[in-house]
Formats: sequence, C-alpha cells, structure tokens
Amino acid sequence: GNSVTQMEGPVTLSEEAFLTINCTYTATGYPSLFWYVQYPGEGLQLLLKATKADDKGSNKGFEATYRKETTSFHLEKGSVQVSDSAVYFCALRNKAAGNKLTFGGGTRVLVKP
Amino acid sequence: GAGVSQSPSNKVTEKGKDVELRCDPISGHTALYWYRQSLGQGLEFLIYFQGNSAPDKSGLPSDRFSAERTGGSVSTLTIQRTQQEDSAVYLCASYQGASGIQYFGAGTRLSVL
Repeated sequence: GNSVTQMEGPVTLSEEAFLTINCTYTATGYPSLFWYVQYPGEGLQLLLKATKADDKGSNKGFEATYRKETTSFHLEKGSVQVSDSAVYFCALRNKAAGNKLTFGGGTRVLVKP
Repeated sequence: GAGVSQSPSNKVTEKGKDVELRCDPISGHTALYWYRQSLGQGLEFLIYFQGNSAPDKSGLPSDRFSAERTGGSVSTLTIQRTQQEDSAVYLCASYQGASGIQYFGAGTRLSVL
C-alpha cells in the first residue's frame, strides 16, 4: 500500500536559518508528490507539487525534488521567516488508489525572531 | 464560490447524538474528498466521490459514518451516535483533474462531550 513518512517535529529555528524537512514514501507505480502547509488557525494549502521523477516543485522560496531512486521528496528553504511557522504535510497521490491523498504525520515548524 | 466552503466551522455535541457536516466544493470540480485530522491518527482519508460513480468508502472507520453528494455538488458527512473518539477536524477537498490539485476547506472542528 501507500505510505508517507516524514520527520517528527517540532522543529525550532531562528529566522534566516536553513530548513529541511525529510519525507520518504512507499507507493506502487508513479505517484504525484505534494507538500501542504497549515498555518495556525487555517486550513490546508498546497505549497508545491511534483508529478514525475526529477521534477522540482517550488513556491515561496521552498523547494522539493522528486527522487525516485531514494523515494524521497525533502522540503527545503534557504532562509526561513517567522511567517513560515506552520505545520507541513508531505503527501502522495496515486491514480491506482483513486487519487486520494496519503499524508505523512506532519511536522510542526516554529521560527523564532 | 471561490473556494471550498465547510459548515459549521465548529460543532460541539453530546455523546450519542447525530451530527451532519456540510461541504460545498469549488464549482465545476468533479471529485470531492472527506478527510479527518485527529491528534492520534494524523490526516486520514474517509470517503471519495467522483462524478456519478459509486463512492469509495474504504476509509470510513465504522458504519456510523456515511456521506452523500447531491446533484454532483454539495456533500454531507453524517456521523450517527457520536463517540468521544470522533472528535477531530473534518476536512473536505475538491479536485479537478487537469491541475492534479486537491483544494481544501477550512474544516469543521467536531467536539464530542
């Protein structure tokens, strides 16, 4: 079956620090991969996506590259801001499974000024 | 509307009562998903509607849970005889195949006392 594993939080950083959140997956076939973000008190928002191997998704300074050889989709940002404090979810979508999303457990990130 | 709308935003109920949660998807989106976000289980898939096809109910945790989608648009998730373990945030998402993206509502926070 499909599964997503991401590093547990919380991750506490200072402003302008480098952020990495590890995400690995197990899936049959060729899933699409996503990072969703949930800001305090808000719903889930798509942050970025990649649909095939070696694709790089990017948005708001965040990047993640679809690595099929390591079944990974690690999220990175070079210089975080306080406003990046949120919970980040890695997810995969597999057509063979009806396009429903399978989520990792979420990683809470707290950026301090 | 511009986004996925869910109501109510908060619901407090007594154990044993029935509740109905509503989702109004983005106009024109053919697929609609329900997920549950709880402390112990993370984000988990509940049910999926695609056009006029039979729904995928594989994620419903018990027969107390049911959902319908009327006219291919609005969906209602019903929980009968609520239990304390049903307390969670219930998220609805709609999906339009061309973008490959699921758009989430803000959720309904259900508290069962």
